[in-house]
Amino acid sequence: DQQVKQNSPSLSVQEGRISILNCDYTNSMFDYFLWYKKYPAEGPTFLISISSIKDKNEDGRFTVFLNKSAKHLSLHIVPSQPGDSAVYFCAAYGGATNKLIFGTGTLLAVQP
Amino acid sequence: NAGVMQNPRHLVRRRGQEARLRCSPMKGHSHVYWYRQLPEEGLKFMVYLQKENIIDESGMPKERFSAEFPKEGPSILRIQQVVRGDSAAYFCASSWDNTGELFFGEGSRLTVL
Repeated sequence: DQQVKQNSPSLSVQEGRISILNCDYTNSMFDYFLWYKKYPAEGPTFLISISSIKDKNEDGRFTVFLNKSAKHLSLHIVPSQPGDSAVYFCAAYGGATNKLIFGTGTLLAVQP
Repeated sequence: NAGVMQNPRHLVRRRGQEARLRCSPMKGHSHVYWYRQLPEEGLKFMVYLQKENIIDESGMPKERFSAEFPKEGPSILRIQQVVRGDSAAYFCASSWDNTGELFFGEGSRLTVL
């Protein structure tokens, strides 16, 4: 049962444009949603999070939007930079679970 | 280096041998999590531990896998009688609270021949 889903395995964007990564979830009891970034042969690093009581959180070039009625969140990166090229994992936490549940990831490629 | 430390970074084992993966959490963190990433897949939760306690092991295979986080020393993920399907990257993460913001190590890559 995949509670957190990232339906796009990959995304290619031109440098300077906006990158939009999407994530859907099934459990309405999640308390927090997080985005992690992962480079090859490294561990994931925390990028940005949002509480379930909010609908937007912004940190520099990164903004996360949460639509609870649609059980959907998205990460916007603007402007995109080549160094943003990585795998982005959406994750959810809380409810009846003690664990962070990850989506399958989206590989973002930012073309110079 | 105050980050999450995992070792070994790479481990090669033959079928039937044992693999031990170690994880030292960040200073001040009392929550430790182990995740596994199989080739071409996402991160799958395995186990959540606090000092001397297993809190949630719902992601651990029922046989051959065990984990501990003793009062002193690193957390250990132990895989007995490894099989080729155990080949994966095993990531440890730690946190100091329960908001889900985990800090990950660089992973231990297990290859079973």
